[in-house]
Amino acid sequence: DQQVKQNSPSLSVQEGRISILNCDYTNSMFDYFLWYKKYPAEGPTFLISISSIKDKNEDGRFTVFLNKSAKHLSLHIVPSQPGDSAVYFCAASPNTGNQFYFGTGTSLTVIP
Amino acid sequence: GAVVSQHPSRVICKSGTSVKIECRSLDFQATTMFWYRQFPKQSLMLMATSNEGSKATYEQGVEKDKFLINHASLTLSTLTVTSAHPEDSSFYICSGQAGGIGEQFFGPGTRLTVL
Repeated sequence: DQQVKQNSPSLSVQEGRISILNCDYTNSMFDYFLWYKKYPAEGPTFLISISSIKDKNEDGRFTVFLNKSAKHLSLHIVPSQPGDSAVYFCAASPNTGNQFYFGTGTSLTVIP
Repeated sequence: GAVVSQHPSRVICKSGTSVKIECRSLDFQATTMFWYRQFPKQSLMLMATSNEGSKATYEQGVEKDKFLINHASLTLSTLTVTSAHPEDSSFYICSGQAGGIGEQFFGPGTRLTVL
């Protein structure tokens, strides 16, 4: 049973525009969320996180929004750059614990 | 961020042989290490969680006698795939976590192909 879902397997965005990646989860016990970026044949690299006490966290061009009532989070990248092209995974954990559940990933392509 | 290495990056072996994959945290002490498996176009699936000096905790459906995990030190964990079969072919990724909470730092992964 997939507890974290990324329903869009791919997304294409023009350079300079906003990229919005979405993630839904089913477990109401999740209270810590992360986004990872992954290039082919490499391990994921951490991008940004948010805990359930917040609804927004911003780090440079990356902003994560959390809507607890809808069990939904999103990652905004503004402005998008060609180097952002990668697969993005969202992950969730209960009680800021050490077990994370990953979504299936969204492949982002930023077109120059 | 912190660095985690994996060795080898790619391995091809014959069916029935055993393969050992090493995961090292290079600049931090990983109290907890995780092993994941990723099938093409699928999510990272957690296989097991290991804390230094204690036995690994395996996820449901993962055979502990087939996937042997050793976390002998705060900087090294190993995954041994015993009696490998073609269906074990996959991309195996480890991650380390300091202090047992928060962000995980991932290794680059190991591509295992069993002929």
